[in-house]
Amino acid sequence: GEEVAQTPKHLVRGEGQKAKLYCAPIKGHSYVFWYQQVLKNEFKFLISFQNENVFDETGMPKERFSAKCLPNSPCSLEIQATKLEDSAVYFCASSQTGVPYNEQFFGPGTRLTVL
Amino acid sequence: GENVEQHPSTLSVQEGDSAVIKCTYSDSASNYFPWYKQELGKRPQLIIDIRSNVGEKKDQRIAVTLNKTAKHFSLHITETQPEDSAVYFCAASGEGYGNKLVFGAGTILRVKS
Repeated sequence: GEEVAQTPKHLVRGEGQKAKLYCAPIKGHSYVFWYQQVLKNEFKFLISFQNENVFDETGMPKERFSAKCLPNSPCSLEIQATKLEDSAVYFCASSQTGVPYNEQFFGPGTRLTVL
Repeated sequence: GENVEQHPSTLSVQEGDSAVIKCTYSDSASNYFPWYKQELGKRPQLIIDIRSNVGEKKDQRIAVTLNKTAKHFSLHITETQPEDSAVYFCAASGEGYGNKLVFGAGTILRVKS
């Protein structure tokens, strides 16, 4: 597709429940990024993939967050045992290999509310 | 790691006036500097970007300048219109493919008609 797609748009979970978010990158894009935007608007990088391989996971909270990009499937971000502070909008972005490098195009986001 | 600071946090201008948003970065290895516009409840949209081999880039009413020596870059919007009202984010990234973006904290721009 020509735009990054994310599902669901909204997700509500009770504290301690699992949350799973999905992202379909732009067709032909090799890199997928996950960012977390909290209420103060600040973006925090979580993890990136080059195809199905983890490229950079320096932003991932190790304990409860995991992510995958498998061939022929949407990428996913999973949060086990959600906490109140996980409430945020989670954006997925993708970029291509080739020039111009590193232009990142964002999906519409998934708003996660943890009650 | 990279740290990006953005100023001002809010900016109000009269329709038709110019708006300038400034960012500084810390990592001299950064060489890609995009600007995103985010409307309320929407995705960030890339509006312009600049790479370190260029000092200035313009696209209609939007321009970006980069000073690599001083490690700062700026967004200039001329002839502002009400539809320019949004949150603007600067970001910095390193050389090559797949590098994460490090964002500034954002500037809320209000254009009063």
